[in-house]
Amino acid sequence: DAMVIQNPRYQVTQFGKPVTLSCSQTLNHNVMYWYQQKSSQAPKLLFHYYDKDFNNEADTPDNFQSRRPNTSFCFLDIRSPGLGDAAMYLCATSRLTGNEQYFGPGTRLTVT
Amino acid sequence: ILNVEQSPQSLHVQEGDSTNFTCSFPSSNFYALHWYRWETAKSPEALFVMTLNGDEKKKGRISATLNTKEGYSYLYIKGSQPEDSATYLCAFIGGATNKLIFGTGTLLAVQP
Repeated sequence: DAMVIQNPRYQVTQFGKPVTLSCSQTLNHNVMYWYQQKSSQAPKLLFHYYDKDFNNEADTPDNFQSRRPNTSFCFLDIRSPGLGDAAMYLCATSRLTGNEQYFGPGTRLTVT
Repeated sequence: ILNVEQSPQSLHVQEGDSTNFTCSFPSSNFYALHWYRWETAKSPEALFVMTLNGDEKKKGRISATLNTKEGYSYLYIKGSQPEDSATYLCAFIGGATNKLIFGTGTLLAVQP
């Protein structure tokens, strides 16, 4: 059974049109992460939540926001997607920071 | 800037061949080294979490070693099978940050 679910698997949006990616987990883990992976590059951490505490990476653009309304769900909002935001977006969870992470299958975002 | 490097970038082997690849990471302030396997269209899944210098871990035909003093880890696959085809990612956690810093991965293709 899937433990970290991401919807949708593929998302196409238009340049400048806000888009939301969602992630849910059945593991009851404290920490949820969002990573961006561009072609042939390493996954890059955008931000993470430890419970309700939001931790933004210093180089994450302001265009990227996140919400975690409860333990199970976490959303990635891209306010005004640019062509450079086309990427695979991975959600992951862990019980504590530094522990093994459990990943969803990712959402591939295309910006037209 | 923390740098995690993996080599080779890609590898093609025949079924039954044994293979190995390398992950290099900063040797200072080490906390843990993770290996993940990411099959196409699936979620990355954790293979090993390694914390001690000299650690060797094994899961079936796959094993990994860790040298924290010189900053490298090797992943070995004995008798490769087509189902081993995947991208193998390593990720370093430095004690100061407790966050995963990923390498770009090694793409393994095993030909039947």
